[in-house]
Amino acid sequence: EPEVTQTPSHQVTQMGQEVILRCVPISNHLYFYWYRQILGQKVEFLVSFYNNEISEKSEIFDDQFSVERPDGSNFTLKIRSTKLEDSAMYFCATRTENTGELFFGEGSRLTVL
Amino acid sequence: GQQVMQIPQYQHVQEGEDFTTYCNSSTTLSNIQWYKQRPGGHPVFLIQLVKSGEVKKQKRLTFQFGEAKKNSSLHITATQTTDVGTYFCAGRSTGNQFYFGTGTSLTVIP
Repeated sequence: EPEVTQTPSHQVTQMGQEVILRCVPISNHLYFYWYRQILGQKVEFLVSFYNNEISEKSEIFDDQFSVERPDGSNFTLKIRSTKLEDSAMYFCATRTENTGELFFGEGSRLTVL
Repeated sequence: GQQVMQIPQYQHVQEGEDFTTYCNSSTTLSNIQWYKQRPGGHPVFLIQLVKSGEVKKQKRLTFQFGEAKKNSSLHITATQTTDVGTYFCAGRSTGNQFYFGTGTSLTVIP
């Protein structure tokens, strides 16, 4: 069964450092999303990406965050200068145009010290 | 912004008992989805509801979308230990984003 792949599975970084989280979407999927989940809390929408541009973003997705699809396969989330409160599980999710079902990756756990 | 609330936040049931979680949106939804997240896992899609008043069943799970398309429920009949996890609704109003509810964590006591 096709799946969304995320790397790294866990990253520990110092506050103020830049972090890049990577996602490989399912091949025929056109809509890409980043969500985050602070431990024990709900899944929060960050950004949606379609046709090589951001289609929507939440209040959480401020100037410290950016997304891109640099090589047509990977979909990346960059945090420029991490803060302690960025510590969370970051999920990439993708879907086809026809169905609404979101396929989630296993997540990347970010720990900011 | 759009808010999607779920109640209860936690539910402990004896194996074999029924379980229901309720989802309420501050805005009218175009559709609603339900996901299950096992402890330490990622959300996994269960179902999508689109029509007002729609009811769908998957074995012991029954999903309902309210007439006003602002609320939804998930009912599990005769829970099993494999039902353990957090159940999230995710609502979509306009645009491409799905806003997840606050989740209901289900514990099943054998």
